[in-house]
Amino acid sequence: DTGVSQNPRHKITKRGQNVTFRCDPISEHNRLYWYRQTLGQGPEFLTYFQNEAQLEKSRLLSDRFSAERPKGSFSTLEIQRTEQGDSAMYLCASSLESGSSPLHFGNGTRLTVT
Amino acid sequence: SQKIEQNSEALNIQEGKTATLTCNYTNYSPAYLQWYRQDPGRGPVFLLLIRENEKEKRKERLKVTFDTTLKQSLFHITASQPADSATYLCALDEDAGNMLTFGGGTRLMVKP
Repeated sequence: DTGVSQNPRHKITKRGQNVTFRCDPISEHNRLYWYRQTLGQGPEFLTYFQNEAQLEKSRLLSDRFSAERPKGSFSTLEIQRTEQGDSAMYLCASSLESGSSPLHFGNGTRLTVT
Repeated sequence: SQKIEQNSEALNIQEGKTATLTCNYTNYSPAYLQWYRQDPGRGPVFLLLIRENEKEKRKERLKVTFDTTLKQSLFHITASQPADSATYLCALDEDAGNMLTFGGGTRLMVKP
């Protein structure tokens, strides 16, 4: 168990550019979640997958945000046409399917939009 | 509207004392409540989970209570240590689907 891995750890981009983040979950976990966290706040749920199926995406912040998990393993989160308000920590977590299983978080990707 | 409230002010306590953190919620009916610890620049780390039909859960120096009438959970750390200094987050799960809703967290500072 190597934990949840997120890349890159930091990303600085200019407004209007597209960015993509990657998450590698714990291998035996079939659920994968994306959260966003801004300074001084708790994580905010964005979307989640069970295997390759995206089961909830209504809370993605806008249509500029999209996520994929093509083979039910790693996932990517893309933000198109970034805005300064997108600057935040983007956290990925994974869990087992059963009940309310604990989430195992990665250490996040910190995005700065200039 | 739905709210999860944790004390946004930092809690400062002396080493060896018991720290008590509060999580209050409004307009939720959580099936589960979880507590996480978060250190600066790191992702949250799971600590404890308590179900709606459980009053109390313990793990080593940690204790969580869950009062669905008061709509409140208390998180206790006994014999606190400087290494316990971190931000503590509570999170609600309404339908056991694991789409957790987090509070804003409380920062705990334990002084030697």
